[in-house]
Amino acid sequence: EVELLESGGGLEQPGGSLRLSCAASGFSFSSYAMSWVRQAPGKGLEWVSGISGSGGSTYYADSVKGRFTISRDNSKNTLYLQMNSLRAEDTAVYFCAKEGWNYVGGMFDPWGQGTLVTVSS
Amino acid sequence: QSVLTQPPSASGTPGQRVTISCSGSSSNIGSNSVYWYQQLPGTAPKLLIHRNNQRPSGVPDRFSGSKSGTSASLAISGLRSEDEADYYCAAWDDSLSGVVFGGGTKLTVL
Repeated sequence: EVELLESGGGLEQPGGSLRLSCAASGFSFSSYAMSWVRQAPGKGLEWVSGISGSGGSTYYADSVKGRFTISRDNSKNTLYLQMNSLRAEDTAVYFCAKEGWNYVGGMFDPWGQGTLVTVSS
Repeated sequence: QSVLTQPPSASGTPGQRVTISCSGSSSNIGSNSVYWYQQLPGTAPKLLIHRNNQRPSGVPDRFSGSKSGTSASLAISGLRSEDEADYYCAAWDDSLSGVVFGGGTKLTVL
């Protein structure tokens, strides 16, 4: 069974940094692209970033470009999101999601349970 | 403002058929596959439809997807109370080099 378990969320001040992790199991991790999707309280889904199976290709939403960095360690079956220069508008539940193939395209299945990031002073 | 446009709400009575639309452009829906997600209250989203009209195993055939040009639709037939949820469409956008979502449609079963 495919499982994704996010961690690393919490309360951080504006301008601060956090690193999210997503531990994957139940599939050949390096064979699939992965993405981070967030959902602000009471709002809709927003794709944040995606990475190919090898890690050689990365993609970012304009709202986080230059501040967030996605990476993966295929030896540890773990996906990361390094979030710097955090802003109040980054407050959201962050989900990691497995893509249906080795490239980022929007077929997210399954999703993790999410980790809450709160940016506030 | 979402790149893909969905109606904010939809409703129907048990047994009815409802459709949810998703409008985009040539750079997203017009040239890439559309995906639909169901998010029940307090839970993570779940893939409902992939590659425009394909159902993952386990998804009832009451759910169907279609695409025409730069628009797509999700249809739910034989509406049930447990279908009450938020529904989102998504697609890759060639111009943005990223995935775009619709704003979501809240389905109420009356």
